[in-house]
Amino acid sequence: GAVVSQHPSRVICKSGTSVKIECRSLDFQATTMFWYRQFPKKSLMLMATSNEGSKATYEQGVEKDKFLINHASLTLSTLTVTSAHPEDSSFYICSAPGLADYNEQFFGPGTRLTVL
Amino acid sequence: RKEVEQDPGPFNVPEGATVAFNCTYSNSASQSFFWYRQDCRKEPKLLMSVYSSGNEDGRFTAQLNRASQYISLLIRDSKLSDSATYLCVLNTGGFKTIFGAGTRLFVKA
Repeated sequence: GAVVSQHPSRVICKSGTSVKIECRSLDFQATTMFWYRQFPKKSLMLMATSNEGSKATYEQGVEKDKFLINHASLTLSTLTVTSAHPEDSSFYICSAPGLADYNEQFFGPGTRLTVL
Repeated sequence: RKEVEQDPGPFNVPEGATVAFNCTYSNSASQSFFWYRQDCRKEPKLLMSVYSSGNEDGRFTAQLNRASQYISLLIRDSKLSDSATYLCVLNTGGFKTIFGAGTRLFVKA
């Protein structure tokens, strides 16, 4: 199956700092990628849809100025958590739809963010 | 009512047991259905798609009942390595993918 990578896998930062998370499709091009967050023992919640060459589409309740998404190339989408606060601590996962079956999603390994 | 509901478990079963999970959904327009597996602190991975006709992959059998709006996953001959959280996932068209909160399974020796 397709491979999606994320970097970093884990980050700890102080309140008020910004954190950038990268999501890369390694062996295929992805014009669309999705960003999710997951709290412990909770389901994945879609935050936004990242579109190559255009603005991201944010889900209701997600602050676009706080969670900046850039999809500058066909293999890279970035999520920047600006002015992070402890409540932003979560597991952030990106995914890209499959080529053969658009309904299937390939997930990155996730980034665990801890804001102190 | 949540769009996707799953029994969170945990289900604690011995090796070799058969275990079944159900998942109900509220949106009758849902088009595609999947079971994903998620290990602790890892990303979800596709286990199998779910079709109305039912489908089987080795020890795993998935069923979809559109009339009653639920899907099921049956695991036969449970292995220790089956211990994980199983996510019910559906797609309502386009990019709208909804995840259940998952059912935790622990298989004991």
